[in-house]
Amino acid sequence: KAGVTQTPRYLIKTRGQQVTLSCSPISGHRSVSWYQQTPGQGLQFLFEYFSETQRNKGNFPGRFSGRQFSNSRSEMNVSTLELGDSALYLCASSPGPETSYEQYFGPGTRLTVT
Amino acid sequence: SQKIEQNSEALNIQEGKTATLTCNYTNYSPAYLQWYRQDPGRGPVFLLLIRENEKEKRKERLKVTFDTTLKQSLFHITASQPADSATYLCALAAGSSNTGKLIFGQGTTLQVKP
Repeated sequence: KAGVTQTPRYLIKTRGQQVTLSCSPISGHRSVSWYQQTPGQGLQFLFEYFSETQRNKGNFPGRFSGRQFSNSRSEMNVSTLELGDSALYLCASSPGPETSYEQYFGPGTRLTVT
Repeated sequence: SQKIEQNSEALNIQEGKTATLTCNYTNYSPAYLQWYRQDPGRGPVFLLLIRENEKEKRKERLKVTFDTTLKQSLFHITASQPADSATYLCALAAGSSNTGKLIFGQGTTLQVKP
């Protein structure tokens, strides 16, 4: 089975712009979670989607949003980018809640905001 | 507030020795705890999951213990090899309803020297 794929892998944006990141989960996985990883804060949970519904949300401002499509693919959007948004954004998939607890991570999208 | 702590300092050991990494948590009553491995520039890779009613779990050269009284998990790598050099992360979910929402420790970097 192919693993979790994320596009793009690298991105450079300017402050104030917006960005959309994409995640394709492992085939058959219906749950997708997003995380932000920075050297200072480590891995922080952004949100989780299952069956096109947001199940959980982390403590991030409303500039961070996401969605999931009927084929389980997910996107996250960050509007009005700030320098502090520079990070590795990781997507993880799992079969679904209550059926499996381990998460399978993609390689991440490295976002640099200048 | 909920907190997960791992040894922030890098752990340096000689090849063939046993590496022991610690994960402590406060203000949590986790149903299970997970350990992941992360190599530079890559997403975390799931290693082991241990449930609150399990004291110990093994997988090949890996062993995890979980003490809910001490609020601590220990992660052991026996007969360590240079290829085991990586950052190891512990992660908790608060309960079954939060399977897609993992709270990660900062990680411990392990360096195994030949």
